[in-house]
Amino acid sequence: QQPVQSPQAVILREGEDAVINCSSSKALYSVHWYRQKHGEAPVFLMILLKGGEQKGHEKISASFNEKKQQSSLYLTASQLSYSGTYFCGTEITGGTSYGKLTFGQGTILTVHP
Amino acid sequence: NAGVTQTPKFQVLKTGQSMTLQCAQDMNHNSMYWYRQDPGMGLRLIYYSASEGTTDKGEVPNGYNVSRLNKREFSLRLESAAPSQTSVYFCASSLQGAYGYTFGSGTRLTVV
Repeated sequence: QQPVQSPQAVILREGEDAVINCSSSKALYSVHWYRQKHGEAPVFLMILLKGGEQKGHEKISASFNEKKQQSSLYLTASQLSYSGTYFCGTEITGGTSYGKLTFGQGTILTVHP
Repeated sequence: NAGVTQTPKFQVLKTGQSMTLQCAQDMNHNSMYWYRQDPGMGLRLIYYSASEGTTDKGEVPNGYNVSRLNKREFSLRLESAAPSQTSVYFCASSLQGAYGYTFGSGTRLTVV
């Protein structure tokens, strides 16, 4: 039931772009994205709801393909501050699972000068 | 604005000892959660509380109990600690399931 993230790790130079994918075998109600710096708590980036639109800010955005139960996080023109571990969290549709997130194993993103 | 506050930040227990991890939020959120984080395994849900007065098991509830004391507070208890419970524990809260989670700073627990 745990969503699968890919790649497991990615190394970039400042200014380069990256895509992180999250795939589930279950029908999803929502997908969350979080970033965690070493030794700190995860921080919420954005949520994508079933039937909703692609979300994001200027350089970090995400999409949700409901038919494939997949989400992708897009990081554009990366900055040093983007370094960290990115987690997707999925909430499946219906039943007693509503309100609970299951997290992927994480993608380690390293941005070098 | 404190957000989600967890105590303690660090704890070392001997096998068989018990302890309670405290969590409090001041954002008037309905739902609260306890996760554990182990290297390479992401965050795994232990227990959650969709609203005051209700609790439900997550993926890895064995060896733990919880109490939703009121809307603000959600505690996690280890009755008889085992080395396998060595982990970093995060408490989180959200307005409801369709909103982002706010995490506490975590409790690093070592059981020897």
